[in-house]
Amino acid sequence: GENVEQHPSTLSVQEGDSAVIKCTYSDSASNYFPWYKQELGKRPQLIIDIRSNVGEKKDQRIAVTLNKTAKHFSLHITETQPEDSAVYFCAAPPGTGATNKLIFGTGTLLAVQP
Amino acid sequence: DGGITQSPKYLFRKEGQNVTLSCEQNLNHDAMYWYRQDPGQGLRLIYYSQIVNDFQKGDIAEGYSVSREKKESFPLTVTSAQKNPTAFYLCASSILGTGEAFFGQGTRLTVV
Repeated sequence: GENVEQHPSTLSVQEGDSAVIKCTYSDSASNYFPWYKQELGKRPQLIIDIRSNVGEKKDQRIAVTLNKTAKHFSLHITETQPEDSAVYFCAAPPGTGATNKLIFGTGTLLAVQP
Repeated sequence: DGGITQSPKYLFRKEGQNVTLSCEQNLNHDAMYWYRQDPGQGLRLIYYSQIVNDFQKGDIAEGYSVSREKKESFPLTVTSAQKNPTAFYLCASSILGTGEAFFGQGTRLTVV
């Protein structure tokens, strides 16, 4: 089945710096790669996603890149702000079958120091 | 107000008792999911359902049971067979084929 690995588990940056979180997946048939943000005590919420027919997608200060050959995708946050502090999860579905189920990485705790 | 609602937010139970967590959505989503969240382990899939009266086991289904009698509802029962039930449980739903999952606010279950 699909296996998703996420690194690093914790990341501390200074306000204004960039942050990069990387995930690798095992199923080469996976075709959808979302990123979720979970603030303390709250539900995970989708912040950006990418499908396998594109290599990069950007939305203001956040971007996701996908390398299908290497089977990895990354979240990039530029000009970080204290409100970016949260746990970030990547996910990928199994490529086979028609299921929507997402397999999540173990999460990255991002701390933005003011 | 559309969304996905879990209740209760906090739940305490004695060891050996079964407990049922509620999940209701009014988004008209076909697919619903239950995830368990433990520190440092991300979100692990317990059960999922793509259509009424049908559901499949996820990666950690042992000790759990579900039902999907209505499209809007996907309750999760944590049975006494679950060896380590204390955790944060998240329910989610999605439109089939789109991928994006919408999460409820979660239920924190503590078994003492």
